[in-house]
Amino acid sequence: AQTVTQSQPEMSVQEAETVTLSCTYDTSESDYYLFWYKQPPSRQMILVIRQEAYKQQNATENRFSVNFQKAAKSFSLKISDSQLGDAAMYFCAYRSRHGGGADGLTFGKGTHLIIQP
Amino acid sequence: DAGVIQSPRHEVTEMGQEVTLRCKPISGHDYLFWYRQTMMRGLELLIYFNNNVPIDDSGMPEDRFSAKMPNASFSTLKIQPSEPRDSAVYFCASSRQGGQYFGAGTRLSVL
Repeated sequence: AQTVTQSQPEMSVQEAETVTLSCTYDTSESDYYLFWYKQPPSRQMILVIRQEAYKQQNATENRFSVNFQKAAKSFSLKISDSQLGDAAMYFCAYRSRHGGGADGLTFGKGTHLIIQP
Repeated sequence: DAGVIQSPRHEVTEMGQEVTLRCKPISGHDYLFWYRQTMMRGLELLIYFNNNVPIDDSGMPEDRFSAKMPNASFSTLKIQPSEPRDSAVYFCASSRQGGQYFGAGTRLSVL
């Protein structure tokens, strides 16, 4: 079974600064997806960014980018120019590409991101 | 698209009562997932469907929980009888391959 670990329960950053959230995972598969989800106080789960394991290029979505290190099984999220609206819980998640009953997401425990004005 | 729609947003019930949570997935998505979120256990997959067929229900806590997907645009998660330890936020999500898109969740409180 796959596991996802987020070792930072809480992070704090000044507004307009850059912050990196860490995620590691364990799997025996070679092809899979990785995701970062954001959960603000409204509790809505919002897909921030996705990465397919076969792609070497790191995904980028505006101020959000990832550092995907497949050999190290590491998938960190970098938020540039942090804004007050970025304050939320951030979850790292894994999904197999092989199906066969393994399509559900496996989530980490989350990192609570605080933005200091 | 309206996104994944869940109802109700909040449900308060008494122990022993039947609870039904509802979900309308995004049109065209062939996967539907039910998750539960608690402080103790985080986000857990309960069950998922592909093309309306249940594929993996190994996450369903016990026989008190059941889920159905009678057609491509509707699914229910039922708890009967409900217990206080079922109190949680229940999410429905849908997808094709790749990323899953979540509804706003149902906060269930069982007194």
